Amino acid sequence: NAGVTQTPKFQVLKTGQSMTLQCAQDMNHEYMSWYRQDPGMGLRLIHYSVGAGITDQGEVPNGYNVSRSTTEDFPLRLLSAAPSQTSVYFCASSSPGGRTEAFFGQGTRLTVV
Amino acid sequence: DAKTTQPPSMDCAEGRAANLPCNHSTISGNEYVYWYRQIHSQGPQYIIHGLKNNETNEMASLIITEDRKSSTLILPHATLRDTAVYYCIVRVLGSNYKLTFGKGTLLTVNP
Repeated sequence: NAGVTQTPKFQVLKTGQSMTLQCAQDMNHEYMSWYRQDPGMGLRLIHYSVGAGITDQGEVPNGYNVSRSTTEDFPLRLLSAAPSQTSVYFCASSSPGGRTEAFFGQGTRLTVV
Repeated sequence: DAKTTQPPSMDCAEGRAANLPCNHSTISGNEYVYWYRQIHSQGPQYIIHGLKNNETNEMASLIITEDRKSSTLILPHATLRDTAVYYCIVRVLGSNYKLTFGKGTLLTVNP
């Protein structure tokens, strides 16, 4: 099982550029989430989705867009990158029933210069 | 969400038990205690969760006090690979799409 797959693993952007961080899961999980982690901090929730077509904002949504057209994929779009968005981004998926723990991807390390 | 309090760091000798405390005095009756860990900036990894009874799995044991205001994660025989940041999170069952991470406890296992 691949679990949660994030691409790319590393990315350098120039200020003002846009890009999409990809997240895919093969566990048929209804729930998916995006977090960012800054140095020395815990993870903070950016956006989440409780099913295809349903998304909502987390704690730090500004500057990011998401959509959920399929159960498997949950891309995170940076509209106009800023140095403050330099961070490590983690995608997670989970299920409302059965084993309810969240499974995390290995992260995307983004640097905005 | 109930707020949790953890010590910022702890040390443990390899082969000894590591006992990581967590205070969650405002926990609600339907909230579970979850533990995750993050090894060297990898994605967080689920360890264990419980409501009010003590729980054990292949990774760890979870002891929750009778009043549920605090808990302890026990790694019975810590190894160097257990060096990580450990997060205690309180959530309603099935709501793991919206986890609130504090700064956690950095556990360093020493040889």
